[in-house]
Amino acid sequence: EPEVTQTPSHQVTQMGQEVILRCVPISNHLYFYWYRQILGQKVEFLVSFYNNEISEKSEIFDDQFSVERPDGSNFTLKIRSTKLEDSAMYFCASAGAAQETQYFGPGTRLLVL
Amino acid sequence: GQQLNQSPQSMFIQEGEDVSMNCTSSSIFNTWLWYKQDPGEGPVLLIALYKAGELTSNGRLTAQFGITRKDSFLNISASIPSDVGIYFCAGRPNTGNQFYFGTGTSLTVIP
Repeated sequence: EPEVTQTPSHQVTQMGQEVILRCVPISNHLYFYWYRQILGQKVEFLVSFYNNEISEKSEIFDDQFSVERPDGSNFTLKIRSTKLEDSAMYFCASAGAAQETQYFGPGTRLLVL
Repeated sequence: GQQLNQSPQSMFIQEGEDVSMNCTSSSIFNTWLWYKQDPGEGPVLLIALYKAGELTSNGRLTAQFGITRKDSFLNISASIPSDVGIYFCAGRPNTGNQFYFGTGTSLTVIP
């Protein structure tokens, strides 16, 4: 069964460093998303991406964040200068043409020291 | 942003018991999704609902899209230990692509 994959599974970084989180969505999906989940809290929407551009973003997704689909398979989230409060699980999700359901990847656990 | 409240926040039940949880929103949604999340993993889709009043089952799980379109319910029958986890609802309003997640219901099943 097709699934969303994410790398790395864990990332530890120093405050102020840049990180890039990678996702490979389900191959025939057209809509891509990033979510964040701080430990013990609910899943929070960051951004949605369609047709090579951002279609929607939340207030969390400030200028420190950017997304890219550099080739036909990868979907990346970049955090330019990490802060302590960026420590969280980051989930990628993808959806098909109908956008009616989203399938999540296993997540990347980011720890900013 | 949209607020989705789930209740109860946590449940401790005996194996074999039935479970009910719900999710309410302050505005109308046109899609409801229910996910289960195990520790350290991503949410796994359980059931998707697209029409008001819709009742959908997936094995021992049954979910309903509330008539008012502001709520949804998830029931688990004859719970087993592997049902342990956090259950999240997610809803999408009439406009936009964004899904909003509920606060989660933590389920513990006691063997």
